[in-house]
Amino acid sequence: AQSVAQPEDQVNVAEGNPLTVKCTYSVSGNPYLFWYVQYPNRGLQFLLKYITGDNLVKGSYGFEAEFNKSQTSFHLKKPSALVSDSALYFCAVRDLGLTGGGNKLTFGTGTQLKVEL
Amino acid sequence: GEEVAQTPKHLVRGEGQKAKLYCAPIKGHSYVFWYQQVLKNEFKFLISFQNENVFDETGMPKERFSAKCLPNSPCSLEIQATKLEDSAVYFCASSRPSGREAFFGQGTRLTVV
Repeated sequence: AQSVAQPEDQVNVAEGNPLTVKCTYSVSGNPYLFWYVQYPNRGLQFLLKYITGDNLVKGSYGFEAEFNKSQTSFHLKKPSALVSDSALYFCAVRDLGLTGGGNKLTFGTGTQLKVEL
Repeated sequence: GEEVAQTPKHLVRGEGQKAKLYCAPIKGHSYVFWYQQVLKNEFKFLISFQNENVFDETGMPKERFSAKCLPNSPCSLEIQATKLEDSAVYFCASSRPSGREAFFGQGTRLTVV
């Protein structure tokens, strides 16, 4: 079974500083990894994904994530945080148990990012 | 459409009543997923469809939950005889036939009183 761990419930960072939101995963084969963001009372918005290729993946709103196979990690990063980045961030892994595009996502428990002035 | 549309946004039901939630996937997306977000942040997978066929229903509670995706109609998730523990936000998502990422709707908040 796939699993995802987000070890921090909350991350606080000052605006303009770099941010990192941590994620580690466990899969039996090659992982498909994703980051989503959830604003209050909204759905999940897709930020970025790692399928294959470069370990550094760039996504929406200036976010990027680094895939590290040896550490089984997929940390989300941004060089300079904005107050508007404050939201709930979810890491997810795609279940490869079934073939086809209908494979479910397994989510971490989320990390609340708070960016302060 | 260009986004996953879920209706209604909010639904309040008395215990024992039926609840029905709807989801219109993005045009051209052949996979539809239902997730339940409970407690603080936990996402629980319920069911997925490939067009009108069930793809994976391993997360569906068998007794009271059912779901359909019929041609030319929104997909639906129905809960018979709701219980207090069914209170949650239910999210629908869709993805392309060859897609890896899923796109989510805004969710339906179900409150059972």
